[in-house]
Amino acid sequence: SQQGEEDPQALSIQEGENATMNCSYKTSINNLQWYRQNSGRGLVHLILIRSNEREKHSGRLRVTLDTSKKSSSLLITASRAADTASYFCATDALDDKIIFGKGTRLHILP
Amino acid sequence: DAGVIQSPRHEVTEMGQEVTLRCKPISGHNSLFWYRQTMMRGLELLIYFNNNVPIDDSGMPEDRFSAKMPNASFSTLKIQPSEPRDSAVYFCASTPGLAGAEDTQYFGPGTRLTVL
Repeated sequence: SQQGEEDPQALSIQEGENATMNCSYKTSINNLQWYRQNSGRGLVHLILIRSNEREKHSGRLRVTLDTSKKSSSLLITASRAADTASYFCATDALDDKIIFGKGTRLHILP
Repeated sequence: DAGVIQSPRHEVTEMGQEVTLRCKPISGHNSLFWYRQTMMRGLELLIYFNNNVPIDDSGMPEDRFSAKMPNASFSTLKIQPSEPRDSAVYFCASTPGLAGAEDTQYFGPGTRLTVL
């Protein structure tokens, strides 16, 4: 079964707006990662947040982690057309393997 | 660095044929992963290697699938015989460390396999 599940499955926003995607998971984790996948390409690592961290920033990306709710959010501020992609969270399972969710498809409208 | 290299990028074959997908990880990386991505099932881990040794192949769907890593710079994923339900995009990824949860995975561009 999936360890992490993204929500929503798809999201369309206007360029310049902020985009928020969520990831929920079932069991305790050590780390959570977010990846981006552009159409027809492989996944690209965006950011890692450890279980003892609550928030992390990287450029226009802001990731939060709430271990009590077993959830994480990815915020992209001031979205651009180039942000159109699918976004995946990846969590470590009990055996230390990384498991990917099914992703959120983000579409930035001009 | 050229990144993770996969070949071929596209493969169309007929049911029953043998398919071999190839991957060259980033030089110096110690772990290699094979994934399969479909709309229905998302991204599934098939198998991963640490230092060329298969560690976990529990994701390999059937005996028709096999993977090898004869050296640190090359791995193959073979499907024999192929079936239409094997149609998917197959990704190879590598990490610098030994597949720990903190490792960043570097993905190749994928091989889009279509089995007719």
